[in-house]
Amino acid sequence: DSGVTQTPKHLITATGQRVTLRCSPRSGDLSVYWYQQSLDQGLQFLIQYYNGEERAKGNILERFSAQQFPDLHSELNLSSLELGDSALYFCASSPRQGNQPQHFGDGTRLSIL
Amino acid sequence: SQQGEEDPQALSIQEGENATMNCSYKTSINNLQWYRQNSGRGLVHLILIRSNEREKHSGRLRVTLDTSKKSSSLLITASRAADTASYFCATDASLSGGSYIPTFGRGTSLIVHP
Repeated sequence: DSGVTQTPKHLITATGQRVTLRCSPRSGDLSVYWYQQSLDQGLQFLIQYYNGEERAKGNILERFSAQQFPDLHSELNLSSLELGDSALYFCASSPRQGNQPQHFGDGTRLSIL
Repeated sequence: SQQGEEDPQALSIQEGENATMNCSYKTSINNLQWYRQNSGRGLVHLILIRSNEREKHSGRLRVTLDTSKKSSSLLITASRAADTASYFCATDASLSGGSYIPTFGRGTSLIVHP
């Protein structure tokens, strides 16, 4: 058990809809990372937060947004969903910033119909 | 494009054999990490090797790093069926707004037959 909790585990929705994915980091971890994993693109870094502030942005679409709350949990919002957004979305956490070991949740599998 | 690329893409071996996976990267790094992913699960951190280290061991895992060749290898000795998983290398070379973005390769899919 990594200590990182992601909900929901599965999400099925239609094109054009909006969804929110939630992540609770491991106790004591201040950094939260979001990733998208698909068969054709591999594991893509989306965005990082540290202690409530955005720290780094990767290949995150403008239709996607995220935030980290004072209790350190994080949410990833995906809007105007397209078929190509179907993927596994992972949250990971680490105690600090920088390239250090990350603890991954088991992901949210998003299916767009 | 991916900073780290694993090779081979897929590896199939018998239980008890050794498995070797390689990772090549493009720019200078501070450290390199290896992760494992079981099907449908999150990644699990295995080992971190710093740029000034050449070799590191953890149980049946042995990682080497050759910064002159910009490559790393992960050796799993005496493999077990439970080692069946995908293995990823992650580097820290990318820099965005003063922070390092962890960049993962596409992974090596390892199947260990009992």
